[in-house]
Amino acid sequence: QSALTQPASVSGSPGQSITISCTGTSSDVGNYNLVSWYQQHPGKAPKLIIYDVTKWPSGVSNRFSGSKSGNTASLTISGLQAEDEADYYCSSYTTSSTSVFGTGTHVTVV
Amino acid sequence: QVQLQESGPGLVKPSETLSLTCTVSGGSISSYYWSWIRQPPGKGLEWIGFISYSGSTNYNPSLKSRVTISVDTSKNQFSLKLTSVIAADTAVYYCARHHRSNWNPSYFDPWGQGTLVTVS
Repeated sequence: QSALTQPASVSGSPGQSITISCTGTSSDVGNYNLVSWYQQHPGKAPKLIIYDVTKWPSGVSNRFSGSKSGNTASLTISGLQAEDEADYYCSSYTTSSTSVFGTGTHVTVV
Repeated sequence: QVQLQESGPGLVKPSETLSLTCTVSGGSISSYYWSWIRQPPGKGLEWIGFISYSGSTNYNPSLKSRVTISVDTSKNQFSLKLTSVIAADTAVYYCARHHRSNWNPSYFDPWGQGTLVTVS
């Protein structure tokens, strides 16, 4: 199975909004509303920030939001803050009953 | 709340078997799915496989021939074995609870802190 495609890096200024794309196929992202997003700071374990395309886990800021159109899911971070600088990964369930991660995106707050 | 902790050797020789255990505390291992995920240094995440509370498994096709995941409900633990390791298997290995949505494995939460395994 191939990794989902994400941009290597995205940057924005404090207060701005940025969007990270996650492109898969009709065998994963396009077939299920089972896309999740994870935030990972250096040396730390990933943290769930969005699940089932649009849902927030308890305690996660609503500055993070998710959406999906066809084979591409997106994560939007609104009101960008310095603490949002991290790596972000998407993940999807697949028609082979497996899971696949995205290639990862580094967000820089400039 | 549920916490996960990986344990096992940090150094494995090439061609040998990597063995890790994940201990679940603060909740029962039953009624959930559980996954192993790894991250080579400086690289992205790779899903290795999952096991259900009943013992059913599924693995990443690229690792399937070398991976076995098992569960010990009496100890609230699940384990990973990866055979015939090579340098490319060097990674931080994470265990995570794998939640289901609409009966399908969906998202990972929480994660263990991860353990670095070096093949050398």
